[in-house]
Amino acid sequence: AQTVTQSQPEMSVQEAETVTLSCTYDTSESDYYLFWYKQPPSRQMILVIRQEAYKQQNATENRFSVNFQKAAKSFSLKISDSQLGDAAMYFCAYTEMGGSQGNLIFGKGTKLSVKP
Amino acid sequence: EAGVAQSPRYKIIEKRQSVAFWCNPISGHATLYWYQQILGQGPKLLIQFQNNGVVDDSQLPKDRFSAERLKGVDSTLKIQPAKLEDSAVYLCASSLGRVLGEKLFFGSGTQLSVL
Repeated sequence: AQTVTQSQPEMSVQEAETVTLSCTYDTSESDYYLFWYKQPPSRQMILVIRQEAYKQQNATENRFSVNFQKAAKSFSLKISDSQLGDAAMYFCAYTEMGGSQGNLIFGKGTKLSVKP
Repeated sequence: EAGVAQSPRYKIIEKRQSVAFWCNPISGHATLYWYQQILGQGPKLLIQFQNNGVVDDSQLPKDRFSAERLKGVDSTLKIQPAKLEDSAVYLCASSLGRVLGEKLFFGSGTQLSVL
C-alpha cells in the first residue's frame, strides 16, 4: 500500500529565513502526483504546490519550491523568506493514476512555527 | 468565487446518537469528496462522488456511515450511531472533474466531538 511519511512533527523558523520540510513516500507506480497542502487554524486545506512524477524539473510557486528525488522517493518543501502567515500544519500528499483519482494519501503533517 | 461551504462548524454529541454534516461544493464541480481527519493525522478519504454517483466508498464504515449527493450538487454525510472513535474533523472537498493531479478545493470542515 502507498504510504507517505513526514518525519518532522514540528519545525520552527525565524521570520525571513528559509526552512525545509521533509517527506518520503512509498509506491510501485510510475505515474503519480505529489502535493504539499497547508492547513491553518481555520482547518481549510490549501494547495501550496504540486509535482508530477514524470516531470524532472522541480516545481516552484513564488517562495515555495520542492526538491523531488524520484529514485529516493523523497519530496521536500522549501519555504524561502518565511513570513508569519506561513505558520500552519503542512501535509505532504500522494495520488496515483487509476483507481480513485482524488484519493489523496496524506502524511501525518508537520507543524511549522514562524518566530518574529 | 464562493468556496466549499460546510455546516455546522462544530458538533458535540453523545455516543450512540446520530449526526449529519452538510456540504455545498463550488458551483460546477462534478466531483465531491468527504475526508475524515483524526487529531494528529492527515485526512483520510471516506467517499468520493462523481456527480450523484459513488466512485469510491471503500474506506467508509458502512455499518454506521452513509452519504448521499442528491441532484449532483450538495451532499450530506451521516453517522448513526456515533462511536467515541468518530471524533474528528470531517472535511468536504470538490474538484472540476477526475483528472490526475487536479486541484482539490477544501471547506473548513466540521469538528465532531463524541462524548
